[in-house]
Amino acid sequence: GQNIDQPTEMTATEGAIVQINCTYQTSGFNGLFWYQQHAGEAPTFLSYNVLDGLEEKGRFSSFLSRSKGYSYLLLKELQMKDSASYLCAVRPSRGNQGGKLIFGQGTELSVKP
Amino acid sequence: ETGVTQTPRHLVMGMTNKKSLKCEQHLGHNAMYWYKQSAKKPLELMFVYNFKEQTENNSVPSRFSPECPNSSHLFLHLHTLQPEDSALYLCASSQEDRPADTQYFGPGTRLTVL
Repeated sequence: GQNIDQPTEMTATEGAIVQINCTYQTSGFNGLFWYQQHAGEAPTFLSYNVLDGLEEKGRFSSFLSRSKGYSYLLLKELQMKDSASYLCAVRPSRGNQGGKLIFGQGTELSVKP
Repeated sequence: ETGVTQTPRHLVMGMTNKKSLKCEQHLGHNAMYWYKQSAKKPLELMFVYNFKEQTENNSVPSRFSPECPNSSHLFLHLHTLQPEDSALYLCASSQEDRPADTQYFGPGTRLTVL
């Protein structure tokens, strides 16, 4: 079966660094996405990884290891507005999966002053 | 500012009602998606349309009926729903239905079935 695991909740302090982990077991791999979702709002795209390594985009970075089925999202210089749910999503191999994205349950991040 | 809009934002309906959710994208995309987001559960793909053709039905009950009249509009017709269908229904679009194509989400319709 397909499975995406990420922690349910995390708490961090304003100005600090936090790492949100995601592990996956899927029938093949065709890319991994991170989305941010504030309560009552649409998920918004943060990053896409398909090759191993680190992708940096401002305060946010995303890492992928395909051999380990593992990714993390790194948030630096945390701000109160970063309090949100962070969703990890994987595309399995195209095969009979079409465009299906498999989502994790999301990690609720609370940033404290 | 999202290029994907959804109406209504909130909907309360009885189990015998028929209602429709509407999604419109202003991004020039060719693929559109319906997702269901229930409390404490992962986002769950329901349907995929690519160039107006349905390419994915993720074992969704027939009381949910999608319609895609053109690449900019997507509907979800609802009839004889159950209370457990109460959830946030999200629409998304992407350039095409390809692995690297980012999906952009609308704000969702919060549905409550009484």
